[in-house]
Amino acid sequence: DVKVTQSSRYLVKRTGEKVFLECVQDMDHENMFWYRQDPGLGLRLIYFSYDVKMKEKGDIPEGYSVSREKKERFSLILESASTNQTSMYLCASTIDRGRGNGYTFGSGTRLTVV
Amino acid sequence: RKEVEQDPGPFNVPEGATVAFNCTYSNSASQSFFWYRQDCRKEPKLLMSVYSSGNEDGRFTAQLNRASQYISLLIRDSKLSDSATYLCVVLTGGGNKLTFGTGTQLKVEL
Repeated sequence: DVKVTQSSRYLVKRTGEKVFLECVQDMDHENMFWYRQDPGLGLRLIYFSYDVKMKEKGDIPEGYSVSREKKERFSLILESASTNQTSMYLCASTIDRGRGNGYTFGSGTRLTVV
Repeated sequence: RKEVEQDPGPFNVPEGATVAFNCTYSNSASQSFFWYRQDCRKEPKLLMSVYSSGNEDGRFTAQLNRASQYISLLIRDSKLSDSATYLCVVLTGGGNKLTFGTGTQLKVEL
């Protein structure tokens, strides 16, 4: 069974900390995505990557960066965590981003910044 | 205006009822359309794609109206296990990204 694994299910960090959220997929997918999900706002795209060392900004990249050193791993970095980054973070991957029915999501990381 | 709009609900319906959800999208260049299901505190999972001719998968029927930029999902004979949030999802940006609605919450009750 194909899998997208996020390293932490729950995370609590302090304001100003540098935070790393890790995502690993075992499907050899080129395309990987980071979303955040907030009540009333739905899922919003932060960054995506369509190849190793490639990255593209999504709709809300401010305050975030990403790293894709290996095909299977896509990391989201909060350079200096703030309370407004408290959210559910979801990683996804797909072999073909032109097919919206081929996305697999990780189970999410619920981040609380205090 | 949001790119994809849905009524957040909740829709509370008895078991066995038929329930319909609607969704509108603003980008007329949108290419593909989907319904995803998200259980409480879980990740979204694909429920079904939506085709221009309409499509059915068991108790679920999806319809697309490109002229009105409108997508619907009909669930017949609701089960308790159908309780979830249903996300309307549109493929946009030259096929680069999925845009999600905020979701419609369904609660099926005894």
